[in-house]
Amino acid sequence: QVQLQESGPRLVKPSGTLSLTCRVSDGSLSGGDWCNWVRQSPEKGLEWIGEIYHNGMTNYNPSLKDRVTLSVDESNIQYSLQLRSVTAADTAVYYCARRRGYLAAYFNPWGQGLPVNVSS
Amino acid sequence: QSVLTQAPSASGTPGQRVTISCSGTSSNIGRNPVNWYQQLPGSAPKLIIYSNNQRPSGVPDRFSGSTSGTSASLAISGLRSEDEADYHCAVWDDSLSGPVFGGGTQLTVL
Repeated sequence: QVQLQESGPRLVKPSGTLSLTCRVSDGSLSGGDWCNWVRQSPEKGLEWIGEIYHNGMTNYNPSLKDRVTLSVDESNIQYSLQLRSVTAADTAVYYCARRRGYLAAYFNPWGQGLPVNVSS
Repeated sequence: QSVLTQAPSASGTPGQRVTISCSGTSSNIGRNPVNWYQQLPGSAPKLIIYSNNQRPSGVPDRFSGSTSGTSASLAISGLRSEDEADYHCAVWDDSLSGPVFGGGTQLTVL
């Protein structure tokens, strides 16, 4: 089945921009699939960041909306996350995951996760 | 703090049946299907229950899910050492217009 893998810098300076990529392999995200970004920290647990459809439609967590931009390339293979003006509170493991279904928190599969540390 | 409420820890002995609970509201569990994820140490979450009580292919039937009102439960019967993990509930929240997660329950097999 389709696999997802996150990549990007593991260290970001405060006030900088966190930029990650999720690459899809062994298939593609098809109709009804959304590429989601979820992060996990000891303080907040699992936290939904946002999602993007293959046509570019996006939904964002209101708490992060002003700082987040999601995008997808024309091949629908690479999905990107940009989080601006980061602080130590943005230190977390960042996952991409495929979500399916209407009004459903059905995430399968997940990427392996990428730990990102915000520090000077 | 997470939108969905889970006890931070649970434990059981091999062979025992344990239940993990997840409490929500009318805007999430009260309206939409609940999913459960197992997270082994150092790994990503893995879907083990979807649509309240359905198991993906490959998940043992020792795992079962149920809902009642604004609460959901995950039951694990015939507990095994390899079940030691964190378990997270997740559901779509109509107020957020997005998915929400529980804080996770760390299961220890004694």
